[in-house]
Amino acid sequence: DAGVIQSPRHEVTEMGQEVTLRCKPISGHNSLFWYRQTMMRGLELLIYFNNNVPIDDSGMPEDRFSAKMPNASFSTLKIQPSEPRDSAVYFCASSFVVNQPQHFGDGTRLSIL
Amino acid sequence: AQRVTQPEKLLSVFKGAPVELKCNYSYSGSPELFWYVQYSRQRLQLLLRHISRESIKGFTADLNKGETSFHLKKPFAQEEDSAMYYCVLWGAGKLIFGQGTELSVKP
Repeated sequence: DAGVIQSPRHEVTEMGQEVTLRCKPISGHNSLFWYRQTMMRGLELLIYFNNNVPIDDSGMPEDRFSAKMPNASFSTLKIQPSEPRDSAVYFCASSFVVNQPQHFGDGTRLSIL
Repeated sequence: AQRVTQPEKLLSVFKGAPVELKCNYSYSGSPELFWYVQYSRQRLQLLLRHISRESIKGFTADLNKGETSFHLKKPFAQEEDSAMYYCVLWGAGKLIFGQGTELSVKP
């Protein structure tokens, strides 16, 4: 298995634009997590899914952020409209069950100008 | 409320010195605790979890329920241990990350 796959690896866009980050979890994993990492705030859990259902989205910063998991092999994190303070590295991770060790993707480095 | 506290943002030691990365948690039930590590320019990865009670790369961590701690220890630090370390608690459907401690091992 190639592990958790995230795309794009880097994204640079102007503020106000819509940004969509993508994640393909490891096949057979039932839980998927989205994180944001910044120097100021460290690593933050944004949302996680179990069996494609959002379980805890209390970490989603505001309504501009939304996440979906239409099927077991794909998830998106969308920011609309984007702002410079959204600049961060966004990680996706998956695990077989929710309290098992997570496997992380390489992350998407997002820069909002 | 559940909380994970890593009091040190940065820990700097010399090669060969013992190292202890502190982690304290607040949780009323029986938590599951993990340590994750992120080496420079690499993915975050699991280092160890308390229920397996194993030693990975020379690191150990013991869950102390009385002190609500899960400190990560290594008797002799190596330069390749330099990384960001996160203490993570899972309990009651919540996953809580500590703020992370950057370990710098100097030659």
